[in-house]
Amino acid sequence: DQQVKQNSPSLSVQEGRISILNCDYTNSMFDYFLWYKKYPAEGPTFLISISSIKDKNEDGRFTVFLNKSAKHLSLHIVPSQPGDSAVYFCAATFNTDKLIFGTGTRLQVFP
Amino acid sequence: DADVTQTPRNRITKTGKRIMLECSQTKGHDRMYWYRQDPGLGLRLIYYSFDVKDINKGEISDGYSVSRQAQAKFSLSLESAIPNQTALYFCATSALHEGARSRELFFGEGSRLTVL
Repeated sequence: DQQVKQNSPSLSVQEGRISILNCDYTNSMFDYFLWYKKYPAEGPTFLISISSIKDKNEDGRFTVFLNKSAKHLSLHIVPSQPGDSAVYFCAATFNTDKLIFGTGTRLQVFP
Repeated sequence: DADVTQTPRNRITKTGKRIMLECSQTKGHDRMYWYRQDPGLGLRLIYYSFDVKDINKGEISDGYSVSRQAQAKFSLSLESAIPNQTALYFCATSALHEGARSRELFFGEGSRLTVL
């Protein structure tokens, strides 16, 4: 039973445009959500997070939106850059317990 | 030097062999985890440990065992490897208390295991 889902396995975006990566979850007890970025031959690295008491968190070009009623979060990257090309994982957790990851979305930013 | 180090980085083995993947960390974190990554399945938790005397099963622990030898060391064993255990394995750590960032995981670079 996949508690965290990323339904788009891949996304292709032109440089300078907005990239929107989506994530859905089923467990209403999740209280913290994170996005990780993974380049080939490297481990995932933390990108941005959001608490369930907020609906938006912004860090530079990256913004995460949380819609609790829809159990949906999204990551916006504006403007997209070629260096953003990577696999993005969303993850969720409850009460500082273990993270549950989604299946990942491969983002490709082309010139 | 990496804060979370995994060895070996690559390993090819045969069905039925015993394999150990090792992880060591210099971050001083209490919590350590083993995940595996498979195409289309994302990162799935195998085992996790919140301190030296605490070991917990994750989503897919069957066929695996772990040992927390010290705060800084957490090893994953495949007692009798099988081909569907071919995957990319990641060790990760986290701190118990770092305020809002306490849930952030720090990953090693991964160990690619191929079971023939």
